[in-house]
Amino acid sequence: QVQLKESGPGLVQPSQTLSLTCTVSGFSLTNYDVGWVRQPPGKGLEWIGEIWSGGNTHYTPPLKSRLSISRDTSKSQIFLKMDSLQTEDTAMYFCARSRYHDYFDYWGQGVMVTVSS
Amino acid sequence: DTVLTQSPALAVSPGERVSISCRASEGVDSYMHWYQQKPGQQPKLLIYKASKLAFGVPARFSGSGSGTDFTLTIDPVEADDTATYFCQQSWNDRTFGGGTKLELK
Repeated sequence: QVQLKESGPGLVQPSQTLSLTCTVSGFSLTNYDVGWVRQPPGKGLEWIGEIWSGGNTHYTPPLKSRLSISRDTSKSQIFLKMDSLQTEDTAMYFCARSRYHDYFDYWGQGVMVTVSS
Repeated sequence: DTVLTQSPALAVSPGERVSISCRASEGVDSYMHWYQQKPGQQPKLLIYKASKLAFGVPARFSGSGSGTDFTLTIDPVEADDTATYFCQQSWNDRTFGGGTKLELK
């Protein structure tokens, strides 16, 4: 069955770089897109970016200069790197499978990232 | 970017019909999708492409609309439907609405 699981540090210091991994199973990264979505505590969802099945990446404009999404198809893993973290980047980070560059049909459980010194 | 506006909260009684609205700041054709999120859980896809029911979602859920105005309808509402509902567009990158918290009376 389709599964996605996020992993990464729970605590990051301000100005440091966040590195998250999304490990997927039940589908191939060369056939499906995968995106990242975050949710600050008690707030709504924010699309961060995604990597398409062909390897192209797309980022939300406000974060584009700080973001990098990559993948290792042989390990079925997607990587998110975000530079210069600030307290407002504190959020639950989800990875999700994207269909046809449109909607997200399967989601991981999320990983909570707190930015604090 | 395309801003999606939702009412913050609604309260209904079990067995009633509820409509949750989502308005886009510009036309998104039928590229609107709906998710349900319960506390402490990841979002779950309910409706895609404005009106198509996602796999395994009860037929009590339905979606309608095109252009700038969209509606998610639950009929009848059940106690388990207590959750926050988000719309998301994919016409211009991706954006989510602020969410509508559905409470049962």
